[in-house]
Amino acid sequence: QQKVQQSPESLTVSEGAMASLNCTFSDGTSNNFRWYRQHSAKGLEVLVSIFSDGEKEEGRFTAHLNRANLHVSLHIREPQPSDSAVYLCAVSMSYNQGKLIFGQGTKLSIKP
Amino acid sequence: ETAVFQTPNYHVTQVGNEVSFNCKQTLGHDTMYWYKQDSKKLLKIMFSYNNKQLIVNETVPRRFSPQSSDKAHLNLRIKSVEPEDSAVYLCASSLTGGGNERLFFGHGTKLSVL
Repeated sequence: QQKVQQSPESLTVSEGAMASLNCTFSDGTSNNFRWYRQHSAKGLEVLVSIFSDGEKEEGRFTAHLNRANLHVSLHIREPQPSDSAVYLCAVSMSYNQGKLIFGQGTKLSIKP
Repeated sequence: ETAVFQTPNYHVTQVGNEVSFNCKQTLGHDTMYWYKQDSKKLLKIMFSYNNKQLIVNETVPRRFSPQSSDKAHLNLRIKSVEPEDSAVYLCASSLTGGGNERLFFGHGTKLSVL
């Protein structure tokens, strides 16, 4: 069964510095990867979706996927205090009826 | 902008009671889901419905039952709640249920079982 692990568990970064979050998965046939953000008491907001190896940028958010290494990362450029939230990595397969397997999340805090 | 609406936002109840959560999506999607998020923020799928038909039913206790009147609504009923049912329940929808599709999530219903 697919396992998705995120690191670090929590991360504190100064405003303006790059924030980097990691996600590893166990099934190399996975082909859909998304990063979500969850502010407390709010729903999940999708940040970046990536389906092939390489890089995908959405505004200040960039995802890097390396399926050979079973690794997908999220980099946040010039983070602001409003980016403080829990970031969730989600992995699925195209045949799997929208069933997402989530990592346990990284709690990101941005210091002013 | 929210297009998946869940009620209530919070619910506090006692062990053994029955609870029911509602979810409605206004996106015209065919597929809806229920996910459970535990105290450690881990999200796991419980059910998915496509056009009122059950598609995915993960291993959840039988006291959980989804109910769909039409493709825009997917409710969740829990008969005789247990302490371990305390969690946030998130409803989501996607266009057809294909694995490439983005899921749109509601804000969640937080259940506390005393």
